[in-house]
This record gives sequence, structure tokens and C-alpha cells, in this order.
Amino acid sequence: KQEVTQIPAALSVPEGENLVLNCSFTDSAIYNLQWFRQDPGKGLTSLLLIQSSQREQTSGRLNASLDKSSGRSTLYIAASQPGDSATYLCAVLGTYKYIFGTGTRLKVLA
Amino acid sequence: SAVISQKPSRDICQRGTSLTIQCQVDSQVTMMFWYRQQPGQSLTLIATANQGSEATYESGFVIDKFPISRPNLTFSTLTVSNMSPEDSSIYLCSVESPRDREGYTFGSGTRLTVV
Repeated sequence: KQEVTQIPAALSVPEGENLVLNCSFTDSAIYNLQWFRQDPGKGLTSLLLIQSSQREQTSGRLNASLDKSSGRSTLYIAASQPGDSATYLCAVLGTYKYIFGTGTRLKVLA
Repeated sequence: SAVISQKPSRDICQRGTSLTIQCQVDSQVTMMFWYRQQPGQSLTLIATANQGSEATYESGFVIDKFPISRPNLTFSTLTVSNMSPEDSSIYLCSVESPRDREGYTFGSGTRLTVV
């Protein structure tokens, strides 16, 4: 049974810092891994999608890496801003459904 | 990627009543997914809805409690029946992008509070 864990559960950083969010999964037989952002009480916004054959994806200040063999993905946020404050979720796609991680609540202080 | 319109965005309901949540997609999709996010928790898949067939429910979820309709390839509803305070959650629908390699798109969510 696939289990997805995210560390840390919460993170508070001053504006401008570079930071790394971690996601680990127990079953390496995945189709893809997707990072999402969720603002309080809202839906999910897709940030980056990494196919199982890829090792990383970049979009603006965001970079996500994937190491299937070790069951890990990281989301790197460069030069963090207060607007980045949200919960970040990773999700892995197995045979037919996504399994979500527990999320990292990020707060960027001005 | 697909654009999903989900309604209502939030509601406060009395226990024992039912609420129907709607999701409209701007393109035809084969499968639509319904998720629940309980307070402080991550997302849990409730069921997968295919057009023209009964929804497939995950362990712990039953059709009597969460009936789903999928009348066509762009629309689905989830009903939360006979609500109790434990049903207070955010409910989200999701679809796979019709174009390959774009992942899944989520609706904006319905924040349900049962009093």
C-alpha cells in the first residue's frame, strides 16, 4: 500500500530564503508525481508535474526533483515571498489514483 | 489544462439534510474523481465517476452516503446524504487533463460545515 509522507509538517521562514520541501513514498512503481499548492479553505493549484521517466521539472522559482529508486521528491523554492505562504502537497499517481501526502504548511514572513 | 467549475464554494447545513455538489468541466473527460479533505488532513479519494456506469467507491465510502451522478462527459455531482458534523470537510472534484502529461486538475473545492 502506497504511503506518502511530507517533511517538515510546518515551516516558517523569513522572506528571501531558499527552501526545500520533502516528499517520500513507499512504492516506487509510480506513473508520475505532482506538487500542488493549497491556500486555506481553497482547492488545489498544480505547480509541477514530474513523469516517472523524468528527474526534475522547473517553473519560475520552483524546481521539483524525483528519485524513484529512493522514493523521494523535493520541491525547491528560490527567494521565497510572503505570497508563497500556503500548504504544499505532493501526490503520487499509481495504477489509477493519486495518493496524497500530509502536506507542508509554509509561512513566509515579510 | 482543463478548467473545472465547482459549486457551491461553501455551505453550512443542518444535520440530517443532504447537499449536492456540482462540477462542470470545460472539456470532455473520461473519469472524474471526488475527494474529501477533513480538517487538518490530506485528501482522500471517495470515488471515481465514469460516464454511463456506476461510480467506483473506495474503501470506507458507500453509495448510500455519497451518491454520484455522471450524466455526460463534462459534468458530475456528489451528494453528501444524511449529514452529520463528521461530514464537515472540503470536497473536491478532479479530472485528468485531456492532454497527456499535464497531470490532474482540481476544482476550487466546496467547504461544508454541518451544524
